[in-house]
Amino acid sequence: NAGVTQTPKFRILKIGQSMTLQCTQDMNHNYMYWYRQDPGMGLKLIYYSVGAGITDKGEVPNGYNVSRSTTEDFPLRLELAAPSQTSVYFCASSSLGAASTDTQYFGPGTRLTVL
Amino acid sequence: GESVGLHLPTLSVQEGDNSIINCAYSNSASDYFIWYKQESGKGPQFIIDIRSNMDKRQGQRVTVLLNKTVKHLSLQIAATQPGDSAVYFCAEIPNTGGFKTIFGAGTRLFVKA
Repeated sequence: NAGVTQTPKFRILKIGQSMTLQCTQDMNHNYMYWYRQDPGMGLKLIYYSVGAGITDKGEVPNGYNVSRSTTEDFPLRLELAAPSQTSVYFCASSSLGAASTDTQYFGPGTRLTVL
Repeated sequence: GESVGLHLPTLSVQEGDNSIINCAYSNSASDYFIWYKQESGKGPQFIIDIRSNMDKRQGQRVTVLLNKTVKHLSLQIAATQPGDSAVYFCAEIPNTGGFKTIFGAGTRLFVKA
């Protein structure tokens, strides 16, 4: 199993540009998450999904959108990039959800810079 | 270079010594806690977990201690090795339902050879 994979690894955007961060997991997990990690800060939940076709907002959803058309894929969309979205983005998945004893498996991250 | 965790608290230990990393959690309703390890350029990786009905849990070279009275969690690493160098952070999951995992900012561990 490859686990959770993310592309791209690095990206530089200009203000106002849009992009999609890709996330794929091959563990047949129902639950998937998008986090951002700013320097010196803990992970902040952007969006999550409990299964294909179901998504919900996390703690910091503004400026982002997600979709979950399949169990495997959970792309994160930035429509109008802003400097405040400069961060490292992590995708994660789990089989039972954060409210259980199940652990989350994280991807390697995407480092995004908005200039 | 890696900018995540640039201004984190830092712990520096000699190879072979024991390391203790501390975490103060915020929510008295949290009933499940996880320690993650994050190496440079990688995503967080599960190390060990503990439920609130336990005070201590041991894994391979790692022990987690939970003090619910003062809302304190610690991670002990025995015989610290250079490969243990990373950022360690705790995560708490409140028993209020939903999917809100609260992650701490982390501590950077340096292991001196």
